[in-house]
Amino acid sequence: SQQGEEDPQALSIQEGENATMNCSYKTSINNLQWYRQNSGRGLVHLILIRSNEREKHSGRLRVTLDTSKKSSSLLITASRAADTASYFCATGPNNAGNMLTFGGGTRLMVKP
Amino acid sequence: DAGITQSPRYKITETGRQVTLMCHQTWSHSYMFWYRQDLGHGLRLIYYSAAADITDKGEVPDGYVVSRSKTENFPLTLESATRSQTSVYFCASSEGGSGNQPQHFGDGTRLSIL
Repeated sequence: SQQGEEDPQALSIQEGENATMNCSYKTSINNLQWYRQNSGRGLVHLILIRSNEREKHSGRLRVTLDTSKKSSSLLITASRAADTASYFCATGPNNAGNMLTFGGGTRLMVKP
Repeated sequence: DAGITQSPRYKITETGRQVTLMCHQTWSHSYMFWYRQDLGHGLRLIYYSAAADITDKGEVPDGYVVSRSKTENFPLTLESATRSQTSVYFCASSEGGSGNQPQHFGDGTRLSIL
């Protein structure tokens, strides 16, 4: 079963616009991670935010975490066509005690 | 280049056959993982390994076997392939476990079982 659920499942925007993706999860976590997956490739780690952090930045990425609502958001500012990919949140550790649990992902398309 | 490589990238086989997917990493990471990615299910953990000769089941281990005789290699074997095992398989590694470390992924093996 998936711990994290991304919303929306698909998002289409114009280049230059901002893209916001949301992730909700069910159980308490130590950290939440966001990954990107380009078509036909493996996942690439973007950012890790710990449960005691509320916001984190990396370049054009901004991640927020609200543990009271069990939710996180990933904001990509000034999007580019190269940002077209699927984005996944992953929470850890899971109920088994150790590993990450991935959500189903948001497919982002950025039109030039 | 340092990294994590999977082979083969594509594989077609028949039901009942044994097939092994290879994974090799050059970082000397302690942890290695195998996932399968299917539409509607996202990424699901099959097996993971905390170190050489230490492996443990993930969410969907049935029908799969793993071994880790060397830190850098983590092969995944389907002993008798079934159509339900048609999927894209990803190997990953990380420095630590406990879900507190980034994972580094290979580019996957697309496996089709006829």
